[in-house]
Amino acid sequence: GAGVSQSPRYKVAKRGQDVALRCDPISGHVSLFWYQQALGQGPEFLTYFQNEAQLDKSGLPSDRFFAERPEGSVSTLKIQRTQQEDSAVYLCASSLTGVGNTEAFFGQGTRLTVV
Amino acid sequence: AQSVAQPEDQVNVAEGNPLTVKCTYSVSGNPYLFWYVQYPNRGLQFLLKYITGDNLVKGSYGFEAEFNKSQTSFHLKKPSALVSDSALYFCAVRGTNQAGTALIFGKGTTLSVSS
Repeated sequence: GAGVSQSPRYKVAKRGQDVALRCDPISGHVSLFWYQQALGQGPEFLTYFQNEAQLDKSGLPSDRFFAERPEGSVSTLKIQRTQQEDSAVYLCASSLTGVGNTEAFFGQGTRLTVV
Repeated sequence: AQSVAQPEDQVNVAEGNPLTVKCTYSVSGNPYLFWYVQYPNRGLQFLLKYITGDNLVKGSYGFEAEFNKSQTSFHLKKPSALVSDSALYFCAVRGTNQAGTALIFGKGTTLSVSS
């Protein structure tokens, strides 16, 4: 596709509900990142994939958060038993290579509100 | 550990005047540095990056940034601000010895350009 696509754009979940957020990266991009952006803050790193391999998940805040990219393209971020503190915008980004000097392209994000 | 500081929450400038948005960083090894802009309800858009070479890098929409290794800074500049430049700006860093890992973002600076 032309850019990184995320769905849904908005999600309201009841506390304790499980949610799944989808990211379609730019076709052919090797690297995929998930970030969490709280209101008024910069994006905070969650996890990183190179193709289908999850190389870094050090930013996942708890074991309720799980991400996968089984075929090296589309990725899903799953949050189990959502809590109010999970309310944030979840951003997905992709980059062409795994080389550090390559810029990442971001999707519009999914705004998650836990009530 | 890598970190980015954007010391100003907000920068106000009149249209036509030069603007500077400040960024300092801390990283092991040499840095890769990036600037992104975020408009309301939009994803982050890449503006420019410093990899190596000339300390002054030029990017989209007339923006430029100056890398200063001794001051560990990468300030964003534009000679003549436009009202349409009003947005949230993020500086980000990745260490060159950490290829493939995530960009670390500052907390952002809101730029407000008045007519």
